[in-house]
Amino acid sequence: GNSVTQMEGPVTLSEEAFLTINCTYTATGYPSLFWYVQYPGEGLQLLLKATKADDKGSNKGFEATYRKETTSFHLEKGSVQVSDSAVYFCALSDRDFNKFYFGSGTKLNVKP
Amino acid sequence: DTEVTQTPKHLVMGMTNKKSLKCEQHMGHRAMYWYKQKAKKPPELMFVYSYEKLSINESVPSRFSPECPNSSLLNLHLHALQPEDSALYLCASSHRLAGGGDTQYFGPGTRLTVL
Repeated sequence: GNSVTQMEGPVTLSEEAFLTINCTYTATGYPSLFWYVQYPGEGLQLLLKATKADDKGSNKGFEATYRKETTSFHLEKGSVQVSDSAVYFCALSDRDFNKFYFGSGTKLNVKP
Repeated sequence: DTEVTQTPKHLVMGMTNKKSLKCEQHMGHRAMYWYKQKAKKPPELMFVYSYEKLSINESVPSRFSPECPNSSLLNLHLHALQPEDSALYLCASSHRLAGGGDTQYFGPGTRLTVL
């Protein structure tokens, strides 16, 4: 079956620190992988995506590489800002049917 | 434009009330989704419509009744809800359902409180 596992939060960092949020997946076939961000009181916003192995998704300084050999899609950012404080969800969508499987979410707190 | 709109933003209702949530998109997407999200949890899929037909019902209680009047609109009719149904209700859309891998675009959600 399909599933996504994310690292437990919350993650607390100082401004300008390096961020890694781990995400691993189990899937039948070759899924597309996504990172979504949710700010307090809002819906989910697409942060980045990758549709095949070795693809790198990037947006707003965030990056994630689709690693088929390790079934991972870890989110990274070189220098976080206070405005990056939010909950981050890793998700996959299988090829046959666009049903999403979400990880449990990781809350990021960035302190000035 | 990748916008999905939802109304109302907040809704408070009693257990005997009937209310509706509305979702709209103008991206030409043919798949639309309702999710329920409890605090500190990921969204849980409730219903999926593809080409205005109900494709997935994730065993949702009948007090939730979805409707897709046309390709741009999605409604969720609520009746006789329970306090445990209080949550953020999210609508999403994607280009298609079958074929997979498409980005789902989410609306801002309706915060529902059932008294």
